[in-house]
Amino acid sequence: KAGVTQTPRYLIKTRGQQVTLSCSPISGHRSVSWYQQTPGQGLQFLFEYFSETQRNKGNFPGRFSGRQFSNSRSEMNVSTLELGDSALYLCASSSTSLVSYNEQFFGPGTRLTVL
Amino acid sequence: AQSVTQLGSHVSVSEGALVLLRCNYSSSVPPYLFWYVQYPNQGLQLLLKYTSAATLVKGINGFEAEFKKSETSFHLTKPSAHMSDAAEYFCAVSGPHSGGSYIPTFGRGTSLIVHP
Repeated sequence: KAGVTQTPRYLIKTRGQQVTLSCSPISGHRSVSWYQQTPGQGLQFLFEYFSETQRNKGNFPGRFSGRQFSNSRSEMNVSTLELGDSALYLCASSSTSLVSYNEQFFGPGTRLTVL
Repeated sequence: AQSVTQLGSHVSVSEGALVLLRCNYSSSVPPYLFWYVQYPNQGLQLLLKYTSAATLVKGINGFEAEFKKSETSFHLTKPSAHMSDAAEYFCAVSGPHSGGSYIPTFGRGTSLIVHP
């Protein structure tokens, strides 16, 4: 099985712009979660989508949004970029919605740099 | 609410030496605990997970972890380090979120450095 893929792998944007990141989960997986990884804050949960519905949301401002398509592919969008949005954005897929023992499979991430 | 503390942002060992990466957790419910590894320019990969079936959990690449409820710990060990073990290691605890889901909370990570 192919793993989780994320595109693009690297992005450079300027403050005020918006950006869209894409994630294709493992075939058959219906849950996609997004995480932000920074040296200062570590790994932080953004949101989870399951069957095209947002199931869970972390503590991020409304500038961060996402969606999931019927084929389980997911996109996340960040509007009005700020310098502090520079991070590695990780996507993870799971066969079911997040439960206690879930194993998540992570993609390689998209490195976003905001200038 | 749950939390994870990884003691030591960097751990340095010699090749062939014991690897010990420390993780302490806090959880209001019986925890589900995970160790993930992240190699440079890659995503996280699951090493092992504790789901209450056994306190000593064996994972991939020769790693294992022991769940100690009395110490609220889930330390990761490997008897003999290899150069290929050099990576970032994350401990995570899964706890209840709104709507009945469980969201993992990750520690800040420990960078394992292996010297020849």
